[in-house]
Amino acid sequence: GAVVSQHPSRVICKSGTSVKIECRSLDFQATTMFWYRQFPKKSLMLMATSNEGSKATYEQGVEKDKFLINHASLTLSTLTVTSAHPEDSSFYICSAGSSVNEKLFFGSGTQLSVL
Amino acid sequence: AQRVTQPEKLLSVFKGAPVELKCNYSYSGSPELFWYVQYSRQRLQLLLRHISRESIKGFTADLNKGETSFHLKKPFAQEEDSAMYYCALSGNTGKLIFGQGTTLQVKP
Repeated sequence: GAVVSQHPSRVICKSGTSVKIECRSLDFQATTMFWYRQFPKKSLMLMATSNEGSKATYEQGVEKDKFLINHASLTLSTLTVTSAHPEDSSFYICSAGSSVNEKLFFGSGTQLSVL
Repeated sequence: AQRVTQPEKLLSVFKGAPVELKCNYSYSGSPELFWYVQYSRQRLQLLLRHISRESIKGFTADLNKGETSFHLKKPFAQEEDSAMYYCALSGNTGKLIFGQGTTLQVKP
């Protein structure tokens, strides 16, 4: 079945550094990628939607200069948390959809801890 | 192992029939369970969460800790309920684990 690979699964970084999270669709072309943020025991929060080759659409309240999303190919999208601070510590998860069917496939998530 | 299982890939019912989308989980603590819905070519939306005990669009879900289940139910399905439904679990670490999803098809 279709697989979405998300790396790294866990990252610990110092405040002020940037962290890049990759999301790859392994056996299908992901025309749309969604990036979510998850706080403990809370509902998933959509951060942005990206379509291959175009700029990402950010949800209200999400800083696009802080959370850089690149979807340069049909199999890869990246989320870069720039100048990370402790409040950015969270679980980030991507999901990918293809134009062939409407099912979403989820990455395994990235636990970001900013010290 | 932490896991969410939705055993049915596709559930097809007629309009007006009862619906039950199954979700079983495996988690060694006290998780929070969610149901998310994705309507045709739209973004994923939160449908309900067990902690709020709400009924959204006629759907309910009860957390059964003994059976480790969180099945989604609706007494009378409507055509507009046709969508993808995802069961998800969130634990103390914040990690969110999704089930594989179930396509609900409500036929007229």
